[in-house]
Amino acid sequence: GQQLNQSPQSMFIQEGEDVSMNCTSSSIFNTWLWYKQDPGEGPVLLIALYKAGELTSNGRLTAQFGITRKDSFLNISASIPSDVGIYFCAGRQDNYGQNFVFGPGTRLSVLP
Amino acid sequence: DTEVTQTPKHLVMGMTNKKSLKCEQHMGHRAMYWYKQKAKKPPELMFVYSYEKLSINESVPSRFSPECPNSSLLNLHLHALQPEDSALYLCASSPGLAVSYNEQFFGPGTRLTVL
Repeated sequence: GQQLNQSPQSMFIQEGEDVSMNCTSSSIFNTWLWYKQDPGEGPVLLIALYKAGELTSNGRLTAQFGITRKDSFLNISASIPSDVGIYFCAGRQDNYGQNFVFGPGTRLSVLP
Repeated sequence: DTEVTQTPKHLVMGMTNKKSLKCEQHMGHRAMYWYKQKAKKPPELMFVYSYEKLSINESVPSRFSPECPNSSLLNLHLHALQPEDSALYLCASSPGLAVSYNEQFFGPGTRLTVL
């Protein structure tokens, strides 16, 4: 079946640094969603992307839909302690009737 | 309002018990989902309901029985579970399956422990 890869698997950064992570696939996707999950909580939707090349921001977060439609990127600027958590990408290949595939996640730790 | 609510937040049950998980959304969404999530893993799809009808069952054991009484409610009935079924159970909803802008919103989850 479809698989998504996320990198890095985990990262440790200093507070105030910028963060970049990505999500890749060998297949073409038509929709990308980025989620953040805190321990014991449900994933929270951060950004949704629907068009190749689309660049969308949500506060300090910026995500891009790769032009090959096989990848997506999430950047966080000026990280703060509450950015700690697991970031999941989810992709959907077909606009109609199919479900999302989740990547394995990127675990972010922010050092004060 | 983009809220999906789930009850209970925590549940401990024995292998012979029968219990139910509940999920509710008032966003007018017509697709609702159950996911299972183990520690340090991504959510794993179990069931999808579209317009109150079961659309997808990802080969889930029959000890899990979903129910969608109306467009706002989704239940997951549990019976004769095994310890390996212990996990975070997540409910999600989205506008529908056959729509282009189909963002999924998750509830906070129910932490289930099977003894």
